[in-house]
Amino acid sequence: NAGVTQTPKFQVLKTGQSMTLQCAQDMNHNSMYWYRQDPGMGLRLIYYSASEGTTDKGEVPNGYNVSRLNKREFSLRLESAAPSQTSVYFCASSELPSGGDEQYFGPGTRLTVT
Amino acid sequence: GENVEQHPSTLSVQEGDSAVIKCTYSDSASNYFPWYKQELGKRPQLIIDIRSNVGEKKDQRIAVTLNKTAKHFSLHITETQPEDSAVYFCAPQDGNQFYFGTGTSLTVIP
Repeated sequence: NAGVTQTPKFQVLKTGQSMTLQCAQDMNHNSMYWYRQDPGMGLRLIYYSASEGTTDKGEVPNGYNVSRLNKREFSLRLESAAPSQTSVYFCASSELPSGGDEQYFGPGTRLTVT
Repeated sequence: GENVEQHPSTLSVQEGDSAVIKCTYSDSASNYFPWYKQELGKRPQLIIDIRSNVGEKKDQRIAVTLNKTAKHFSLHITETQPEDSAVYFCAPQDGNQFYFGTGTSLTVIP
């Protein structure tokens, strides 16, 4: 099993450009999450999907959109990138739709917006 | 949302000594309390978790204790080794969301 995979690993964008970060899991998990990690800030939840067909805002959703394409895939879109979105982005999944279960993280995408 | 505080932010110990990291949270409805370890440049990985109906859980050199009344839980690492050097995060669950602490950078000095 590959677990949780993310593409791309690195990306540099200019201000105003758009891009989609892809995430897939092969563990048949119900819940998927997108986090951003900034130095000294821990991980902050952007959006999550408790089950296929549902998405909800997390702590820092402004400037982002998500799509739960199917049970395996959960994508994060930046419509108009800003320097404040420079960060490392982690996707995660867990089995239980109500949480209370281990989250498995992908390897991360390091995004720089200039 | 949950207000999470984690202390200390940095911790240095001699190899073989114990390390304790404390996490306080605000939502009394939280019922799942995990600790994650993140090595430099790597993804976070779960090392131990505890649910609200249990006061303590141990896994070899790692233990977690929970005080629901005082709304805090702690990570205990005994007989520390250089490979324990990493950043540790608590992430109490509030509803469907996890709120991560700001992390504790642990350095184990050989």
